[in-house]
Amino acid sequence: GESVGLHLPTLSVQEGDNSIINCAYSNSASDYFIWYKQESGKGPQFIIDIRSNMDKRQGQRVTVLLNKTVKHLSLQIAATQPGDSAVYFCAEKIETSGSRLTFGEGTQLTVNP
Amino acid sequence: DAGVTQSPTHLIKTRGQQVTLRCSPKSGHDTVSWYQQALGQGPQFIFQYYEEEERQRGNFPDRFSGHQFPNYSSELNVNALLLGDSALYLCASSLEVAGGQETQYFGPGTRLLVL
Repeated sequence: GESVGLHLPTLSVQEGDNSIINCAYSNSASDYFIWYKQESGKGPQFIIDIRSNMDKRQGQRVTVLLNKTVKHLSLQIAATQPGDSAVYFCAEKIETSGSRLTFGEGTQLTVNP
Repeated sequence: DAGVTQSPTHLIKTRGQQVTLRCSPKSGHDTVSWYQQALGQGPQFIFQYYEEEERQRGNFPDRFSGHQFPNYSSELNVNALLLGDSALYLCASSLEVAGGQETQYFGPGTRLLVL
C-alpha cells in the first residue's frame, strides 16, 4: 500500500554541522511533499514543501531535495542549532486522494552543543 | 493573525465515555482536517471538513465523527472511548485553492488519555 517512511529513527549532530534527514515514499502518484518539525508537546510546524515538478527548493537554512526516480526526499539543515532539536516528519499528498496528508514515522534530531 | 487553536489542551476520560474536541482554524482558512497521533508515531488522518461537510475520511471507525460550523471552526467527537484512543489529536487548517495543494497548518493538539 501507500506509505511514507524514514530511513533513520534518530540523528545526532554537533552544533554548527549540517544535518540531512531522509524520507522514502512508495507511491509514484504522490505530487506534493511537506516537511514538518514537531517539538515536544507541540503540534507539527510547517518547514518547507516541494511539488513533484521540482527537484530542489530552498528556504532559510533548509533545503529539500526530491528524487522521483528512486522516490526519495531529503531535508538538509545548514548550521544546525540546538533549537533545531525536534522530531521531523515528511508527509506526502496525492492529488487524487484529495487533501489527505500521509505521514512517516519521524526522525528525532538531537543537536549536541 | 491567530494561528490554529484547539481546546482543551489535555483531557482524561474513562472507557465508554464520549469526548468532544474543538478547533478554530487559522484566520482566512476554510478547511479543517483532524489527525490522531499515537505516542512515537506520525499523525494519522481521521477526516477533513470543508463547507460544513465531511469531504474525506481515513481508516477510522464510525465512533469518530465531526462537525464544521459556519465560522469554519470544527469539532471532533469520539464515542464509546477505548484505551487505544489515547493519543494527541491534532487539528490542521488550510485554504481551498485552485489546484487543491494548500498547505496545512497544525494546532498544538489535545492530549487525550483514556483510563
